[in-house]
Amino acid sequence: QVQLKESGPVLVQASETLSLTCTVSGFSLTNYGVIWVRQPPGKGLEWMGIIWRNGNTDYNSALKSRLSINRDTSKSQVFLKMNSLQTDDTAIYYCTIHWFAYWGQGTLVTVSS
Amino acid sequence: DVVLTQTPPTLSATIGQSVSISCRSSQSLLHSNGNTYLNWLLQRPGQPPQLLIYLVSRLESGVPNRFSGSGSGTDFTLKISGVEAEDLGVYYCVQSTHAPYTFGAGTKLELK
Repeated sequence: QVQLKESGPVLVQASETLSLTCTVSGFSLTNYGVIWVRQPPGKGLEWMGIIWRNGNTDYNSALKSRLSINRDTSKSQVFLKMNSLQTDDTAIYYCTIHWFAYWGQGTLVTVSS
Repeated sequence: DVVLTQTPPTLSATIGQSVSISCRSSQSLLHSNGNTYLNWLLQRPGQPPQLLIYLVSRLESGVPNRFSGSGSGTDFTLKISGVEAEDLGVYYCVQSTHAPYTFGAGTKLELK
């Protein structure tokens, strides 16, 4: 069955770079895109970006300058990197399959000043 | 970027009551391929979101048929015909017609 799982640090210092991994199973990254979504505590969902099945990417306009999404299809992993972190980047970070039918459980990342 | 405006922000309902949530888009969500990529998600407390409706009105597998979606172009509605306790949470519309995709701000469904 389709599964996604996020992994990465729980605490990051301000101004540093966040690196998260989404490991998927039950489907191939060459067949479906993967989206990153984040949710600050107590707030709504924010679409961050997508890596399409062909490897192309699209990003949230507000995050584009400091966000990159890549993948390793052989390992079924999608990577998120975001630099110049600030405290308002504290959020639960989710990965989800292209059409939102399957989600990871999310990982809470706290940015400390 | 497309802006999705959800109303109301909060909805109070009794069990068995029927309710509706509106999602209005700043531009048409009709894709050049003829599909309209407007989805509805439910996020229960402490859980990741769950897909309820895709392509405006198609019910995701396993979702009760008391949920229904309608609309076209820029105006969309999610209706729950007979709220049950398990329906409480925050509802989001999300468009995937235009990249970057965007979410509505959410509608919190509470018990009255």
